[in-house]
Amino acid sequence: GQQLNQSPQSMFIQEGEDVSMNCTSSSIFNTWLWYKQDPGEGPVLLIALYKAGELTSNGRLTAQFGITRKDSFLNISASIPSDVGIYFCAGLLFQGAQKLVFGQGTRLTINP
Amino acid sequence: GAGVSQTPSNKVTEKGKYVELRCDPISGHTALYWYRQSLGQGPEFLIYFQGTGAADDSGLPNDRFFAVRPEGSVSTLKIQRTERGDSAVYLCASSLIPAMYNEQFFGPGTRLTVL
Repeated sequence: GQQLNQSPQSMFIQEGEDVSMNCTSSSIFNTWLWYKQDPGEGPVLLIALYKAGELTSNGRLTAQFGITRKDSFLNISASIPSDVGIYFCAGLLFQGAQKLVFGQGTRLTINP
Repeated sequence: GAGVSQTPSNKVTEKGKYVELRCDPISGHTALYWYRQSLGQGPEFLIYFQGTGAADDSGLPNDRFFAVRPEGSVSTLKIQRTERGDSAVYLCASSLIPAMYNEQFFGPGTRLTVL
């Protein structure tokens, strides 16, 4: 089935540093999404991307939908302790699709 | 307002037993989804309901898994003859309408452990 390959698997950074993570696929996706999951909670949507090449920001978060529609990245600027968690990319294969395909996640740890 | 709720939050059962996991979606949300998340992995799609009917059950791993949503609101995921490999967090999500894309709001999940 379709798979999203997310990297890195884990990151250990200092507070205040910028973070970059990405997601690639062998399949073309119609929509890319980035979620954050805290322990004991379900994923929460951070950013949704609908068009190839689209660059979208949400506060300190910036994400881009790759031109080939097979990749996306998420950047976090000036990290703070509450950014700790697991970040997932997810995609929808076609317009109207409801089945989210998730990556394996990037675990972010921040040293104060 | 209230988000998606799932009960129980934790369920420990023995191999071979039957379990039911419940999901209460956000009021008014017509679409409901079940995902399974194994340790260290992202969620994997199981089944999607539009109203009372299962619009896509392609993610159910085998016929031991079944889900219902009889009144178009609460849903129950049922697992028969549980196996140790069924141990995972089962996540439920709901969305307002299944249009081009509507945000799926996730519940906290039920952690199932099969001994």
